[in-house]
Amino acid sequence: NAGVTQTPKFQVLKTGQSMTLQCAQDMNHEYMSWYRQDPGMGLRLIHYSVGAGITDQGEVPNGYNVSRSTTEDFPLRLLSAAPSQTSVYFCASSYSNNREGWFFGPGTRLTVL
Amino acid sequence: GESVGLHLPTLSVQEGDNSIINCAYSNSASDYFIWYKQESGKGPQFIIDIRSNMDKRQGQRVTVLLNKTVKHLSLQIAATQPGDSAVYFCAENTGTASKLTFGTGTRLQVTL
Repeated sequence: NAGVTQTPKFQVLKTGQSMTLQCAQDMNHEYMSWYRQDPGMGLRLIHYSVGAGITDQGEVPNGYNVSRSTTEDFPLRLLSAAPSQTSVYFCASSYSNNREGWFFGPGTRLTVL
Repeated sequence: GESVGLHLPTLSVQEGDNSIINCAYSNSASDYFIWYKQESGKGPQFIIDIRSNMDKRQGQRVTVLLNKTVKHLSLQIAATQPGDSAVYFCAENTGTASKLTFGTGTRLQVTL
């Protein structure tokens, strides 16, 4: 298994540009989440999903959209990037019954100029 | 790697000593807790978890203690090694396990 994969690893955007951060998992996990990590602030939940077709907002959802059309994929879309969205983004997945905790991808470092 | 945790509390321990990393959680209804290790430039890595019906759980060189009365969680690492140097996060989950809430983290520095 590849686990949780994220692309791209690095991205630089200009203010106002849009882009999609990709996340995929091959462990047949029902739950998937997106977090952002800023210096000194730990990880904050952006959006999460408990299964295909079901998504919900986390702690900091503004400026981000998600969809979950398949169990494997959970893309995060920035419609109009802002400098405040400069961060490291992590995708995570889990079984629904917490058998083994959550597994995280390697992250995407995003810089918005 | 990314400049994560510039203002994180730091614990310095000597190689071979035991480390204790503490975490206070916020939600008395949380029923599942996880400790993660994050090395520079990588995503968080699962270390050990514990459910609220337990007060102690042991893994390989690690022990997690849970005190629900004071909403406190600790991670004990035995015989700390240089490879243990990283930022450690506790995370709590409530109910359906659909999301985790993370603490701010502690940086562990292992000196030789």
